[in-house]
Amino acid sequence: DAKTTQPPSMDCAEGRAANLPCNHSTISGNEYVYWYRQIHSQGPQYIIHGLKNNETNEMASLIITEDRKSSTLILPHATLRDTAVYYCIVRAMNYGGATNKLIFGTGTLLAVQP
Amino acid sequence: ETGVTQTPRHLVMGMTNKKSLKCEQHLGHNAMYWYKQSAKKPLELMFVYSLEERVENNSVPSRFSPECPNSSHLFLHLHTLQPEDSALYLCASSQGSGGEYQETQYFGPGTRLLVL
Repeated sequence: DAKTTQPPSMDCAEGRAANLPCNHSTISGNEYVYWYRQIHSQGPQYIIHGLKNNETNEMASLIITEDRKSSTLILPHATLRDTAVYYCIVRAMNYGGATNKLIFGTGTLLAVQP
Repeated sequence: ETGVTQTPRHLVMGMTNKKSLKCEQHLGHNAMYWYKQSAKKPLELMFVYSLEERVENNSVPSRFSPECPNSSHLFLHLHTLQPEDSALYLCASSQGSGGEYQETQYFGPGTRLLVL
């Protein structure tokens, strides 16, 4: 799996948008970008994933650059409960075969400030 | 609530004890995983089971012994652990049959293990 680079920490004011960047300059054509987050002392939580197009769900939006070498996770209105470590992971899909593993880096600690 | 439960949530054990961690998923998934998260370190994949068969074992010491009796349950049997094995042990599951949505992993809350 391709390696990702994320800033170690970021702050965001409550109610404002949180924009978390991720660089994945060696991503392959068949690799998706996944985002998970981990609130302190809990298991990681799936947020969103995408291949080429921008994606949006009830939790967040994912913006992937046209060359796919970087992406941004956007939490439109951050709350205190969004304080967590956010992981950006790239992985290939394995159709009809064995499962694929997630390789977690150190992520970005997002601190939402009141 | 992700549909993946783990028990116990906290465990303290001595180096000569034998204990087991339990994971149960209520999502109808076919694949289950054990991860280890030590303090200040990224999550490390330990074992992967797909349709109750172990498909991956990431050089984990034999004092950790997984068991998957059916697709809904996964155990991690622990014996003669070392203090450096103290960590958060996380279980996850996925549909496992391939495809971008089916591979999404859902995690349990973890078991916080302390080895004295």
